[in-house]
Amino acid sequence: EDQVTQSPEALRLQEGESSSLNCSYTVSGLRGLFWYRQDPGKGPEFLFTLYSAGEEKEKERLKATLTKKESFLHITAPKPEDSATYLCAANQAGTALIFGKGTTLSVSS
Amino acid sequence: EPEVTQTPSHQVTQMGQEVILRCVPISNHLYFYWYRQILGQKVEFLVSFYNNEISEKSEIFDDQFSVERPDGSNFTLKIRSTKLEDSAMYFCASGLVYQETQYFGPGTRLLVL
Repeated sequence: EDQVTQSPEALRLQEGESSSLNCSYTVSGLRGLFWYRQDPGKGPEFLFTLYSAGEEKEKERLKATLTKKESFLHITAPKPEDSATYLCAANQAGTALIFGKGTTLSVSS
Repeated sequence: EPEVTQTPSHQVTQMGQEVILRCVPISNHLYFYWYRQILGQKVEFLVSFYNNEISEKSEIFDDQFSVERPDGSNFTLKIRSTKLEDSAMYFCASGLVYQETQYFGPGTRLLVL
């Protein structure tokens, strides 16, 4: 069964303290690996799509990377406004996205 | 920047009643989706829709659910006879390429009493 597992469930950082979030997937024939940000009571906000191992994408303080078994979302020098739940999803070609439970990030000043 | 919109933002209904959740996808997108998220749980796929037909549906999407694109802009999810366990956030999403990058709306919080 295809699965997406995210760790840790929750992460507390001080402002400026860099860290990484992990997304492990067991999806045979991966088509895409997707990262979203979700604020409380809101819809997921698209961040990145990764397609192949070795691919990296960056946006401001966030960088997403992909290997054959997992993806990492690196957060460099986070700010309080980066506090949110970060969701990972994956799929095979032409099939529905499978979401992980998310990592809830809290950044304090 | 174009965005997906959803109405209403909140809906409270009695068990057994019908509800219709509405979405306006991004205008040039071709593929439309509904997801739900029960409080504290994962985002779960319900259905995908293209060219006025369902492309794929999950086990959750049983006979009480239906989708429709009644005009050129709206996309609706109907729940025929609501149950307590239908209480959740319902998200609409749209995309340019099937089952690739999807853009989500703000959601409708449905509470069934």
